[in-house]
Amino acid sequence: EPEVTQTPSHQVTQMGQEVILRCVPISNHLYFYWYRQILGQKVEFLVSFYNNEISEKSEIFDDQFSVERPDGSNFTLKIRSTKLEDSAMYFCASRLRTGRETQYFGPGTRLLVL
Amino acid sequence: QQQVKQSPQSLIVQKGGISIINCAYENTAFDYFPWYQQFPGKGPALLIAIRPDVSEKKEGRFTISFNKSAKQFSLHIMDSQPGDSATYFCAAVQETSGSRLTFGEGTQLTVNP
Repeated sequence: EPEVTQTPSHQVTQMGQEVILRCVPISNHLYFYWYRQILGQKVEFLVSFYNNEISEKSEIFDDQFSVERPDGSNFTLKIRSTKLEDSAMYFCASRLRTGRETQYFGPGTRLLVL
Repeated sequence: QQQVKQSPQSLIVQKGGISIINCAYENTAFDYFPWYQQFPGKGPALLIAIRPDVSEKKEGRFTISFNKSAKQFSLHIMDSQPGDSATYFCAAVQETSGSRLTFGEGTQLTVNP
């Protein structure tokens, strides 16, 4: 069964450093998402991406964050200058079409900012 | 207005028992209500979902009950099994907003053998 993959599974970085989290969505999916989950808290929406542009972003997704689909398969989340509070599990998700289609989540990248 | 409230935070049930998790929402524009199951170290996976024009949906041992007037919905797990032990998230979607998922806080379910 097709699945969303994410790399790396874990990343440790120093405050102020840039990190890039990578995702390979399911191949024929058209809509892409990033969510994050701070330890012990709910999963929060960050950004959605369709047709090579951001379709919606949350208040969390400030200028420090950016997303890109550099080729036909990868979908990346970049954090330019990490802060301690960026420590979280980051999930990528993808969906085939608009509407009520299921969002399929990857296994996540655990980011720790020291 | 965009929040989804979920309770309880944790739940312990004996094998064979019924697990019940409740959620409430405020935004009447939400038009799709999925439940996700998450095992440790994994991403959330869709378990079952319901639309607001239906009051109940059943898939195997899992049932969603939906009360549109009260803006509440709940997940019932019948004959709970140890393999059901996981974190469960309710969520809500507003299709016109790009279908972002708004999650509840999560319920950690433990089913004792």
